[in-house]
Parts: sequence; structure tokens; C-alpha cells
Amino acid sequence: NAGVMQNPRHLVRRRGQEARLRCSPMKGHSHVYWYRQLPEEGLKFMVYLQKENIIDESGMPKERFSAEFPKEGPSILRIQQVVRGDSAAYFCASSPPVPYEQYFGPGTRLTVT
Amino acid sequence: DQQVKQNSPSLSVQEGRISILNCDYTNSMFDYFLWYKKYPAEGPTFLISISSIKDKNEDGRFTVFLNKSAKHLSLHIVPSQPGDSAVYFCAAEENNFNKFYFGSGTKLNVKP
Repeated sequence: NAGVMQNPRHLVRRRGQEARLRCSPMKGHSHVYWYRQLPEEGLKFMVYLQKENIIDESGMPKERFSAEFPKEGPSILRIQQVVRGDSAAYFCASSPPVPYEQYFGPGTRLTVT
Repeated sequence: DQQVKQNSPSLSVQEGRISILNCDYTNSMFDYFLWYKKYPAEGPTFLISISSIKDKNEDGRFTVFLNKSAKHLSLHIVPSQPGDSAVYFCAAEENNFNKFYFGSGTKLNVKP
């Protein structure tokens, strides 16, 4: 059973460009979560999604950031007009319909130049 | 505001001895707690969890203790092995809201 998959693993964007991060949950998992880890800090919750629904986006910045989990395909975290402060590791996690533990992907390291 | 705190950024332990990692929290509504281990360039891996109705949970070399009155939990690893060297994050969840609050991590180094 493949784990949570994220791509790309590394992404370099210039200021003002858009970044798209993808996450494929584990088979059978219908809940997806996105976290951000800044250098020397822990993981910060961003958003919790189920298929076609955003359940909790209380950790998402109000502007430039959006997330979706369509009926088909991976979950996408989209950052528009990136700035240097967006440079971080972005982790996706998934859990089954009765969620307890969350299983994490390897992360996408975003660097904004 | 940091609701989950790991005040020791690093810990060094000799192989075979006990490693004790600590975590404090401020939100009394947290009712589920987890420990994750993270190697460089990898995602966190679930290690062990505990519900607030318990005060201890054990899984092999790993034991988690929960002191609700002190809002404190700890992870004990005994005996410690060099392969345990990693960053350990504690996390807490409130009332099955599925949103985890993570501490800033403790980097454990187990010396051979």
C-alpha cells in the first residue's frame, strides 16, 4: 500500500510566480491535511479537506493561498504571487474516514528566489 | 500563540540509556496526543498516541505518559538506539476536530 505521495519534492519559484503543490492520499483515505513547516519551527496546520469540501481552513493565510481536493485526482495547494516568506516545507497528511492518526507525505520544499 | 510547547530543542543520550522527551500544552480541551518522529528530508512518521482518558500507553520500547493536571506529556524510549536519532514532535488534537497542533520538535541524538 503506497504511502502519501507529494510532488514535486522540491520547487523553486521566483517572487510573483504561482506554486502548485500536489498530494495523493493513501488508498482508502478520504481526509487530507496540509501543514507548513518554517525553518526551526514545528508544523503549522493550514487546511483540512475531504473530497470536494473544505472542512477547516483556519490556518490558511487569507490571501494568495487556496486548497482543493477534487472528486478525482490529488489535492492541490496553490500559492499565488509567491513571496520569500512562503519558502518552507509543505507537508500533506491523510487519514481514513474514522480519523485518528494522520499519515504524512515526504513534503515539498518550496524555495522562493 | 503556541498551544503545544517542546522546550528542549535538543537532547543527547548514550546508547542503551533512557531518552525522555517532554511536551507541555495549554489548551485543556485537547483530548488526544501523539508523538511523531521525523528524519531529515522525510515526512513525520507516527510513533505512539494516547487518549486523555489514559495516563500511560506503551508500545515496545516507547511509552507515553500523560499528566492532565500538569498539562504535560512525555515520551520515554528505553533502551535508546542510534537509529532513534531524529527530531521528535508532539502533537495534540481537540475533540476530534482533526486539526493537530504541533510542538517545535526536539532533536534526539543517541550516541553509540
